[in-house]
Amino acid sequence: FEMTQPPSLSVSPGQTASITCSAENLGEKYVSWFQQRPGQSPLLLIYQDSKRPAGIPERFSGSNSVNTATLLISATQAVDEADYYCQTWDANSHWVFGGGTKLTVL
Amino acid sequence: DVQLVESGGGLVQPGSSLRLSCEASGFTFDDYAMHWVRQAPGKGLEWVSGMTWVSKVIGYADSVKGRFTISRDNAGNSLYLQMNGLSPGDTALYYCVKALGATESRAFHVWGHGTMVTVSS
Repeated sequence: FEMTQPPSLSVSPGQTASITCSAENLGEKYVSWFQQRPGQSPLLLIYQDSKRPAGIPERFSGSNSVNTATLLISATQAVDEADYYCQTWDANSHWVFGGGTKLTVL
Repeated sequence: DVQLVESGGGLVQPGSSLRLSCEASGFTFDDYAMHWVRQAPGKGLEWVSGMTWVSKVIGYADSVKGRFTISRDNAGNSLYLQMNGLSPGDTALYYCVKALGATESRAFHVWGHGTMVTVSS
């Protein structure tokens, strides 16, 4: 089971960044999203498609339908510049990560 | 505060073995599934293995199956990864991860800082 993310995405400060993760029938599975800033450990942003752990700003939101899961980052800030990974549980492959998307804010 | 502290990494030759440890604190360890995730230099995240709260092995990545063994000591609040037959492709930062719940499909929540494993002759 493989999930595809765009390798990179650029967004202007204050705009909304939309990061996608695609796989066949992904909408039938739960998807998590992680942020990894340079030199840091990954941080859970979204789980079960759209839930935010405590402490994660409302600017981060998620959705998942049919073949594509999407992470939206509204009012993007310079501090949001990072790598973003989607992840899902597949009964055959167990835990699978997408290849990651490098978000540049400029 | 939840803390996960990995140790045991280092520089080893191909074919060698290493045992990674993850010491957990700040939560009831035996209530949660735990995982190992690795990240090769400049690359993405790769799930390695996981274990449920009752020490059921969730599985192994195909790339490590038959060479790596996960275990946990709930009394000692620790997670382990025994790595045998190491090859240069195993070079990576290895993270210990606490899940949101007890079973195999619960999301990955808290990550340690990682321990670096380098396999080179």
